[in-house]
Amino acid sequence: DAGVIQSPRHEVTEMGQEVTLRCKPISGHNSLFWYRQTMMRGLELLIYFNNNVPIDDSGMPEDRFSAKMPNASFSTLKIQPSEPRDSAVYFCASSRLLDSNYGYTFGSGTRLTVV
Amino acid sequence: DQQVKQNSPSLSVQEGRISILNCDYTNSMFDYFLWYKKYPAEGPTFLISISSIKDKNEDGRFTVFLNKSAKHLSLHIVPSQPGDSAVYFCAARPNTGNQFYFGTGTSLTVIP
Repeated sequence: DAGVIQSPRHEVTEMGQEVTLRCKPISGHNSLFWYRQTMMRGLELLIYFNNNVPIDDSGMPEDRFSAKMPNASFSTLKIQPSEPRDSAVYFCASSRLLDSNYGYTFGSGTRLTVV
Repeated sequence: DQQVKQNSPSLSVQEGRISILNCDYTNSMFDYFLWYKKYPAEGPTFLISISSIKDKNEDGRFTVFLNKSAKHLSLHIVPSQPGDSAVYFCAARPNTGNQFYFGTGTSLTVIP
């Protein structure tokens, strides 16, 4: 099992550019979560999907952020336009919907720097 | 609004001694709690869990205590080892839904 795979590992972009972060969950997992890690807020839930359907996007900071899950094996988080305050580490995680007692399996994260 | 709080950003402990990491929560609907461990440049990994029907859960050197009336949980590591040096996050899940809310993390340093 390759685990949750995120790409890219690092992204440096200029303010105003579009950024797309990608995630491949563990096969058989039907819940997917996007988190952002910052010093001030720790791990902040942005959005999560159950069976490819967005369930709660109340954590998405603003309309510049959007997330999609077109199929069970792929999700994207897009920021357009990006701003310096978006700089953070973004984590994707997955779990089985009816078996979250062991929490989620996290990817290694994407470190985003917006200059 | 932060529903799960870890008020100590960092903690240093001598090797062999006990490490105690604390976590407070505000939502009385939380009924399941986890601790995660995170090394630099890696994603968080599951460490130990506790359900609200228990007040203690033990796994080797790691014990989690839950005080529901105080809305407080703690993680005890005994004895602490240098390899335990990492950031520890507590997380809580409400009795509806499968999303976990995380704290801000505590960076533990175990000094050899």
